[in-house]
Amino acid sequence: EAQVTQNPRYLITVTGKKLTVTCSQNMNHEYMSWYRQDPGLGLRQIYYSMNVEVTDKGDVPEGYKVSRKEKRNFPLILESPSPNQTSLYFCASSPGDSFNSPLHFGNGTRLTVT
Amino acid sequence: KQEVTQIPAALSVPEGENLVLNCSFTDSAIYNLQWFRQDPGKGLTSLLLIQSSQREQTSGRLNASLDKSSGRSTLYIAASQPGDSATYLCVHNNDMRFGAGTRLTVKP
Repeated sequence: EAQVTQNPRYLITVTGKKLTVTCSQNMNHEYMSWYRQDPGLGLRQIYYSMNVEVTDKGDVPEGYKVSRKEKRNFPLILESPSPNQTSLYFCASSPGDSFNSPLHFGNGTRLTVT
Repeated sequence: KQEVTQIPAALSVPEGENLVLNCSFTDSAIYNLQWFRQDPGKGLTSLLLIQSSQREQTSGRLNASLDKSSGRSTLYIAASQPGDSATYLCVHNNDMRFGAGTRLTVKP
């Protein structure tokens, strides 16, 4: 089944403890992206990647890192999480001609930083 | 900077009513626009994608239109049902920027 898989679904951590949220897609998509969703603010893009080893900042990149070493995986790294990073996170992917192709989303990761 | 606006922010209608959700964008050089549905605390389900060369897309009781010149897309829901209650989001696929969504409640 074609899908975008995020792990974990739920994560509770403490301030300053490094964490990684994984994202994997099995559709051979070139474009991948991370969003965070907060009440009243909607979905905001954190980072995106047009292809392997190519990543760019979105609207809210501060406090986050990403890597794209292989096509299928696009992990989101929080080196030193803070409470303001408590949010619902979504990973998305799209085929190479992303300007004419739909976005596919993972099921989300709910992160709580205490 | 591209802005995507969805009006209204919330909408409550009785079951059976036809309704229209609006999505406005400032970058008229659009490649495509996609509509999603999101249930509370859940992921996003793709409903329709309209490419820039198209004016409409239909799926069941849903019809989405795109007017590039005015920077607008509308999502029409016919004969609404309580199961349609959700938040509806549009995304301008040039820069993957989302609107804030319309929260729809359909009352039995």
